[in-house]
Amino acid sequence: EVQLVETGGGLIQPGVSLRLSCAASGFTVSDSYMAWVRQAPGKGLECVSVINPGGTTYYADSVKGRFTISRDSSKNTLYLQMNSLRAEDTAVYYCAVGGGRNWGQGTLVTVSS
Amino acid sequence: DVVMTQSPLSLPVTLGQSASISCRSSQSLVSSDGNTYLHWFQQRPGQSPGRLIYKVSNRDSGVPDRFSGSGSGTDFTLEISRVEAEDVGVYYCMQSTHWPWTFGQGTKVEIK
Repeated sequence: EVQLVETGGGLIQPGVSLRLSCAASGFTVSDSYMAWVRQAPGKGLECVSVINPGGTTYYADSVKGRFTISRDSSKNTLYLQMNSLRAEDTAVYYCAVGGGRNWGQGTLVTVSS
Repeated sequence: DVVMTQSPLSLPVTLGQSASISCRSSQSLVSSDGNTYLHWFQQRPGQSPGRLIYKVSNRDSGVPDRFSGSGSGTDFTLEISRVEAEDVGVYYCMQSTHWPWTFGQGTKVEIK
């Protein structure tokens, strides 16, 4: 059974960094398209970053230069390093596999002073 | 970026009746490999999204056959036949043909 468990969210001040983790089971992260999708409170879905099996990464313009997606094959885990966080980054962050076939439960990131 | 436009944004339906959601893209979603990467997701209140349909018309495992997808190019439709109470939620289309992957605004389905 595929499972995705995100951790690392919290309440942080603007300008601070945070790293989200997504622990996967039931499949191999490094063999899959993996995505981070966020949802601001009461809003729709935005795909912020994707990594493909070959390791190529993609970023939405809204996070380019600030966020970095990566994976650790030994831990079968996906990461999102988020730097220079802004109030507009406040959202629930989901990891998803295979074009959205499976999603985690999400982790809330709140950026506020 | 490819803009995905859904309509309607709100859809009150009667139990047992059918519902239809339209999704239009600002450019063709046909990929260079010949596939069309248009998918549909359901997000029930307080839950993570779940995929219903992938590549236009393929139902994900465990999805009732009341849900069906159709369309081509830039024009796509999600049909829900015999709406049940558990179908309440927000439905999103998403394209993954072009980067960045983009979602429609969402259509809120509620029971009349």
